Amino acid sequence: AQSVTQLDSQVPVFEEAPVELRCNYSSSVSVYLFWYVQYPNQGLQLLLKYLSGSTLVKGINGFEAEFNKSQTSFHLRKPSVHISDTAEYFCAVSDLRSGGGADGLTFGKGTHLIIQP
Amino acid sequence: GAGVSQTPSNKVTEKGKYVELRCDPISGHTALYWYRQSLGQGPEFLIYFQGTGAADDSGLPNDRFFAVRPEGSVSTLKIQRTERGDSAVYLCASSLNKLSEQYFGPGTRLTVT
Repeated sequence: AQSVTQLDSQVPVFEEAPVELRCNYSSSVSVYLFWYVQYPNQGLQLLLKYLSGSTLVKGINGFEAEFNKSQTSFHLRKPSVHISDTAEYFCAVSDLRSGGGADGLTFGKGTHLIIQP
Repeated sequence: GAGVSQTPSNKVTEKGKYVELRCDPISGHTALYWYRQSLGQGPEFLIYFQGTGAADDSGLPNDRFFAVRPEGSVSTLKIQRTERGDSAVYLCASSLNKLSEQYFGPGTRLTVT
């Protein structure tokens, strides 16, 4: 069984400051990793994903994440946030045994990013 | 092009009633997923269809929950004898195939009174 832990339920950050949203996972097998964003009153949108290759993954809207296998982490970062980044961010994992795709994803509880002017 | 759509957007029902939630995936997407998101939680996987068949229904919480996708496109999630604990946002996602990104719909907010 897999699990995802997002320790921070809320992260307040000043506009134009850097931010890191933490994600740790546990799994008995190799996994694929994802970050999704949910803007107010909208559906989930994929920010970025790690399938294989370079451990530093770049996504949309200036976000990036680094896969660290030894620490079982996949933290999300952005060097300078904007008001428009205010949203709920979800980390998710998928079992590598599924053949390379995302079967049922296992999500964390989410982190609410609050941008303060 | 149109994204994943879900109807209704909101559904209020009384405890014990039967409800159906509908998902229209992106045209041509063979894989379809249902998730449930309770307040303050991340989405929880319920069931995954590849074409018309349920490839993985391990997330369905009990036999009151059932889903179908008879023609490999639209899917309906059916909940019998609803309970207050079933109140949540039900999300649908589709992907081109098993190896592709999942695209999520806006969800159906179910409230059981």
